[in-house]
Amino acid sequence: DTEVTQTPKHLVMGMTNKKSLKCEQHMGHRAMYWYKQKAKKPPELMFVYSYEKLSINESVPSRFSPECPNSSLLNLHLHALQPEDSALYLCASSRLGNTEAFFGQGTRLTVV
Amino acid sequence: GQQVMQIPQYQHVQEGEDFTTYCNSSTTLSNIQWYKQRPGGHPVFLIQLVKSGEVKKQKRLTFQFGEAKKNSSLHITATQTTDVGTYFCAGRASKIIFGSGTRLSIRP
Repeated sequence: DTEVTQTPKHLVMGMTNKKSLKCEQHMGHRAMYWYKQKAKKPPELMFVYSYEKLSINESVPSRFSPECPNSSLLNLHLHALQPEDSALYLCASSRLGNTEAFFGQGTRLTVV
Repeated sequence: GQQVMQIPQYQHVQEGEDFTTYCNSSTTLSNIQWYKQRPGGHPVFLIQLVKSGEVKKQKRLTFQFGEAKKNSSLHITATQTTDVGTYFCAGRASKIIFGSGTRLSIRP
């Protein structure tokens, strides 16, 4: 199994809503990542988890709250988002160290 | 801060023509990775280069890492319609940063 599974695939939420994005992998990878990708732009790193601990937070606003409940799961909790937060949110995983990242299909988020 | 620039931004070629995208970093990299993202899809890993001057080939794709480990290139020989997509380099120094990408479109 070389897949990273993200749910939901699409999400529309209001600015006062609370929602969560979910990511799962069963490759035994101990590094997991959240990226944000705007249209026609490269992925931008948001968070990195290593061994279920947050190791990198790229100065992401607190309205985005990551969580890593176990080595296979990664969540991104969303609260009080702004329309400019609309984007494709990509989860990725990799073995620790400088190795290839496997990306999920992404969640296309629209904030209205 | 660390920056990774990629050129050209767009490339439109006739099927069968060659294609090259270039990646330049402001800092020396420990490694560089290349990804392909099809329209509406997600990035898919192509290759990682680690050594100074390294050259790797995958069928019609040739990847190079510069001697100073600050630049890289991807060359596709005889493009096919299946090559359509955006090609990103991702350089790792203190952290991994994606280049701006080169969008390849092909006239059949």
